[in-house]
Amino acid sequence: KAGVTQTPRYLIKTRGQQVTLSCSPISGHRSVSWYQQTPGQGLQFLFEYFSETQRNKGNFPGRFSGRQFSNSRSEMNVSTLELGDSALYLCASSATGVGQPQHFGDGTRLSIL
Amino acid sequence: EDQVTQSPEALRLQEGESSSLNCSYTVSGLRGLFWYRQDPGKGPEFLFTLYSAGEEKEKERLKATLTKKESFLHITAPKPEDSATYLCAVNSGGYQKVTFGTGTKLQVIP
Repeated sequence: KAGVTQTPRYLIKTRGQQVTLSCSPISGHRSVSWYQQTPGQGLQFLFEYFSETQRNKGNFPGRFSGRQFSNSRSEMNVSTLELGDSALYLCASSATGVGQPQHFGDGTRLSIL
Repeated sequence: EDQVTQSPEALRLQEGESSSLNCSYTVSGLRGLFWYRQDPGKGPEFLFTLYSAGEEKEKERLKATLTKKESFLHITAPKPEDSATYLCAVNSGGYQKVTFGTGTKLQVIP
C-alpha cells in the first residue's frame, strides 16, 4: 500500500513569492492535515480537510491556505513568503480523522532566501 | 487549549540500558494519544495509539502506557537503531485537530 506522497521534496523561494505544495494521501483516506515543523516550535497544526471541506484550522495567518480535491489529494498555498516561513511542511492522512492515527509523508523542505 | 509536554528533551543511553520517556498532557476530552518516531529528514512514523487510562501497547522493544495525565514510552534494552526523535500527540474534542509535543531526541550508543 503506497504511503503519503508529498511533492516537491525541496523548494527554494525568495521573499514575497508564493508557493504551492502537493500531497497525495493513502488510498481510501479522506482526512488530510498539514503541519509546519521548525526546530524551535516543533510540529504546528495548519489545517485539516475532509471530503473537500476545511474542518479545522490552526493559528496561522491568512497567507496560508489549502484545498482538497474530490480524489482527496490536497494542496497547500503560501502567499507573500517571509523568511520565517522556512520550515519542513508535513502532510498527514487518516481514514476519517477522529481519534485515528495519522500517517505522514516525508515533507517538503521550504527555504526562503 | 490542549497542551503536551515531553521530557526529557534529549536522552543518551548505552545500548541495553532501559529507560522511559514522558509525555504529560492537558486536554478537554481525550480522543486518542499517539506516539510517533521521527528520523532525520523523514516524516513521523506512527507507533501507537492509546485511548483510555490503563491501556498499554507493545511493539518490539517499545511499550506505551497511559494514565489520566501522562503517557510513558518505555524502551527496553535499546539498540542503536532506536535512535530517533520520539513525538507524543493528543487528539481532543472533534475532528482531527492534533497537538504535538516537541519531542524527545534519543541517542543510543553502541
